[in-house]
Amino acid sequence: EVRLVESGGGFVQPGRSLRLSCAASGFIFDDFPVSWFRQAPGKGLEWVGFIRTRGFVLYNVTTEYAASVKDRFSISRDNSKGIAYLQMNSLKVEDTGIYYCTRVAPLAGNDYWGQGTLVTVSS
Amino acid sequence: DIQMTQSPSSRSASVGDRVTITCRASEDIGDYLNWYQQKPGTAPKLLIYGASNLQTGVPSRFSGRGSGTEFTFTIDSLQPEDFATYYCQKYDPIPPTFGPGTKVDI
Repeated sequence: EVRLVESGGGFVQPGRSLRLSCAASGFIFDDFPVSWFRQAPGKGLEWVGFIRTRGFVLYNVTTEYAASVKDRFSISRDNSKGIAYLQMNSLKVEDTGIYYCTRVAPLAGNDYWGQGTLVTVSS
Repeated sequence: DIQMTQSPSSRSASVGDRVTITCRASEDIGDYLNWYQQKPGTAPKLLIYGASNLQTGVPSRFSGRGSGTEFTFTIDSLQPEDFATYYCQKYDPIPPTFGPGTKVDI
């Protein structure tokens, strides 16, 4: 069974950092890119960023980010552990929301989602 | 970036009704269109991928069609567990973009 489990969310003050983890199981983690999305309270879904697989690097770029988080957030992966990370620096109040990681399938896009982890940025 | 719109934004319906949602893309996206269901407090669940393909385990009362810039999603014979918010999503190329959602309630 494909499973993704996020962790690491919590309450943090503006300007601080937080690292989220996404632990994958039930599939060959190395073979799939991973995307992160977020959802502010009562709002819609917003893409945060994406990390490619080791075997497919486009123009020497392994990650892509939404403009709203570029230069503050970074995504990495540890294929040996089956975990993807979202490092969030210089957090802002507007970064508050539930953060989801997803598997990215070749024909189906974001086919499996984790349960999400809540990040609250407030003073 | 490509923008996605959905209509209606909300739909009141009864058990047994047929519900249709429309999604439009600001540019041609081929068939790179997914439909998700989200219930309060839970993650989105993929129902339809590639505009018209039913995800494994999803009941056949859900269907999707369309290509290019206009897509439709239909629930035949609405069931009590179908009351939720539905999102369309363009997923290729990056960035993946969602429509604003359609809330289906009683």
